[in-house]
Amino acid sequence: SYELTQPSSVSVSPGQTARITCSGDVLAKKYARWFQQKPGQAPVLVIYKDSERPSGIPERFSGSSSGTTVTLTISGAQVEDEADYYCYSAADNNSWVFGGGTKLTVL
Amino acid sequence: EVQLVESGGGLVQPGRSLRLSCTASGFTFGDYAMSWVRQAPGKGLEWVGFIRSKAYGGTTEYAASVKGRFTISRDDSKSIAYLQMNSLKTEDTAVYYCTRGGGDYGLDVWGQGTTVTVSS
Repeated sequence: SYELTQPSSVSVSPGQTARITCSGDVLAKKYARWFQQKPGQAPVLVIYKDSERPSGIPERFSGSSSGTTVTLTISGAQVEDEADYYCYSAADNNSWVFGGGTKLTVL
Repeated sequence: EVQLVESGGGLVQPGRSLRLSCTASGFTFGDYAMSWVRQAPGKGLEWVGFIRSKAYGGTTEYAASVKGRFTISRDDSKSIAYLQMNSLKTEDTAVYYCTRGGGDYGLDVWGQGTTVTVSS
């Protein structure tokens, strides 16, 4: 089955820049979304169309794309940004998939 | 306020059926596709499937893991999306979320989730 590959964990100190990658062949031709999920809560959309930020999402969240890899960047990460992050995109014709998720630790 | 509320979860035996509901408010339900996403205990998010709006034919797409067992439908007059789950397996145990949008669009509003436990 098709997969989107993410690192299992990323760790940064408060105020540093966190970068989370997501790789998959389809990302060269399909947009990706990024979701933030805190323990016990529903996911929240933080980036769509690779780099667009929904209203209400802090400017420190940004996205970029290069070839078959998309990257979520959190500039000046804060303790409240500690969460699991998932990328999402099309898998193939008429199916979609989430990446395995990345646990971001900010401490 | 835009809101999605799931209901219908519970404990069910393997091989039985269960129907989940997702009740929407605060937006024109019929204009949007609606998706279902699940999360097994301690695991990541898994796309289950979605239903397009009537304007796009109201057709459905499913993950391979549920195709033929799960059916997504909608009642635009009541602003409700449904997930009918048949022939349930223990591996279907998860929190099930509904979310607005589907495919390459949306997923911008999520419900709080409803828990389904498949066990004998």
